[in-house]
Amino acid sequence: GENVEQHPSTLSVQEGDSAVIKCTYSDSASNYFPWYKQELGKRPQLIIDIRSNVGEKKDQRIAVTLNKTAKHFSLHITETQPEDSAVYFCAASRRSQGNLIFGKGTKLSVKP
Amino acid sequence: GAVVSQHPSWVICKSGTSVKIECRSLDFQATTMFWYRQFPKQSLMLMATSNEGSKATYEQGVEKDKFLINHASLTLSTLTVTSAHPEDSSFYICSERGLAGANEQFFGPGTRLTVL
Repeated sequence: GENVEQHPSTLSVQEGDSAVIKCTYSDSASNYFPWYKQELGKRPQLIIDIRSNVGEKKDQRIAVTLNKTAKHFSLHITETQPEDSAVYFCAASRRSQGNLIFGKGTKLSVKP
Repeated sequence: GAVVSQHPSWVICKSGTSVKIECRSLDFQATTMFWYRQFPKQSLMLMATSNEGSKATYEQGVEKDKFLINHASLTLSTLTVTSAHPEDSSFYICSERGLAGANEQFFGPGTRLTVL
């Protein structure tokens, strides 16, 4: 089955700096890669996603890149703000199955 | 996106009792819903896929007789934790895909279960 590895487990940056979180997956049939932000005690919120037919996607300060050959994808947050502090999860799935396999999460702390 | 509700938002029970958690899709007819469990400071782990009108598909290592899933209608899936024990204390979250065949999943607000 699918296995998703996520690094780093914790990340601390200064406000205004960029943050990068990386994930690798094992199942070459996976074709959907979302990123979720989860605040303490709350549900995961989808912040951006990418499908396997696209190499990069951007939404304001957030971007995701996908390298299908190497089976890895990354989340990039630019101009970080204190409200970006949360736990971020990457995930992978096959569209046909729908169930998400999550990475272990990255706790991002943005210091003012 | 789809709107998913869960009830209750939190529950405390004694060891040995059973607890039912409801997951409702408020705006889509969800033929498939997913149940995840999240222990403190850990990731979300898929427990089972709930299929309307048929048996749920459980992930390896999840006891189907302990975690009973019923998906009797297109808007409601229930998870019953039977004979709960302290090690079952966790955050249980359901999700659904919204449009049939869509990739994006929408999560419920979660249920915090504490077993004393």
